[in-house]
Amino acid sequence: AQSVTQLDSHVSVSEGTPVLLRCNYSSSYSPSLFWYVQHPNKGLQLLLKYTSAATLVKGINGFEAEFKKSETSFHLTKPSAHMSDAAEYFCVVSFSGTYKYIFGTGTRLKVLA
Amino acid sequence: NAGVTQTPKFQVLKTGQSMTLQCAQDMNHNSMYWYRQDPGMGLRLIYYSASEGTTDKGEVPNGYNVSRLNKREFSLRLESAAPSQTSVYFCASSDNGGGEQYFGPGTRLTVT
Repeated sequence: AQSVTQLDSHVSVSEGTPVLLRCNYSSSYSPSLFWYVQHPNKGLQLLLKYTSAATLVKGINGFEAEFKKSETSFHLTKPSAHMSDAAEYFCVVSFSGTYKYIFGTGTRLKVLA
Repeated sequence: NAGVTQTPKFQVLKTGQSMTLQCAQDMNHNSMYWYRQDPGMGLRLIYYSASEGTTDKGEVPNGYNVSRLNKREFSLRLESAAPSQTSVYFCASSDNGGGEQYFGPGTRLTVT
């Protein structure tokens, strides 16, 4: 069965320090992987996606993620946190040609001044 | 280019009342989706429409109906609202199955 696990429900970092949000997936097939960000009372915005091309994926606002098949992971990183990065982040798995998207339960990122 | 739009933004219903949530996309996407978001549970798929003229049940379809009115519009209807349907509802669209989804701003629904 396919599943997604976001390993931390809450992460706190200081402004200007690195961000690491962890995501592991379980799948028998080659997945597509996405990270979305949701600011308070807003919809979800696509940060980046992996679809079997380069394993290091660059997204918007300085975020990037690395697909590691051997570790079944797709962790999201950013070198330097900004106050505006405070939001909830969702890791999502999907499979080409299907309409099933598996959402993680989210990681709430807090950025301290 | 508005992307995905949803109306209304907020709604309060009494138990047993009905309402329709509207969604429209202007990206010429084939597929559209309705999700609900509850605290600590991520997003759960209610219904989806792979293409114009088709609809299918998702993970939590009970108590809901949908209509894919045309390629642009996909509505969600609650026939007899229950307090368990208090949630935030998101519409999304994608060009094809498995591709990136684009989300609307959400409808916050409270059923008393």
